Amino acid sequence: DTQMTQSPSSLSASVGDRVTITCRASQGISYYLAWYQQIPGKVPKLLIYAASTLQSGVPSRFSGSGSGTEFTLTISSLQPEDVATYYCQKYNSAPWTFGQGTKVEIK
Amino acid sequence: EVQLVESGGGVVRPGGSLRLSCAASGFTFDDYGMSWVRQAPGKGLEWVSGINWNGGDTGYADSVKGRFTISRDNAKNSLYLQMNSLRAEDTAFYHCARDLGRFGEPPDYWGQGTLVTVSS
Repeated sequence: DTQMTQSPSSLSASVGDRVTITCRASQGISYYLAWYQQIPGKVPKLLIYAASTLQSGVPSRFSGSGSGTEFTLTISSLQPEDVATYYCQKYNSAPWTFGQGTKVEIK
Repeated sequence: EVQLVESGGGVVRPGGSLRLSCAASGFTFDDYGMSWVRQAPGKGLEWVSGINWNGGDTGYADSVKGRFTISRDNAKNSLYLQMNSLRAEDTAFYHCARDLGRFGEPPDYWGQGTLVTVSS
């Protein structure tokens, strides 16, 4: 099965900073990659699918890129409401594995 | 408004069985694939199983293959997860989720979850 590895596991950044999270697949998954945001105590929210397509209603400061085995989620200007854990998920074929998560905090 | 409400969780002994249900409303149920995703308290997300719009195609995580069975009843707008041979490591909140499309697309709406505790 394809393994999904996120880096870093956690990060701390200042409001307004550009933040980048990486997700690597152990095998190529084309563009079948989604990103989720999970605020503590809440269910996950879909941010991006097909590696770079922004889900409706998601702020434009979130963007995704990549294909094959390496993907990135970028927050162009970190806001206090972005404090959350972010997960990638591959969905090219079952099992639709999630990454282990990246916890984002405000410095 | 899309609503997904899970039920059927509880405390069960190792080796026991449970059947989870998810009642869907606010959308045309048989236009969408559905998934179950679990999250142990304080841990990350784990995709458990998925099913296409008509039940003809399913997928499972290796950790539950052969023990769990996903199904749906489009006439009742309901999704199910039959869980057999439960283990301590199956303890988690189980979330029902609606996929973006008929199958093969990630979930865009999630229920609040139902807690399954496997303990002697």
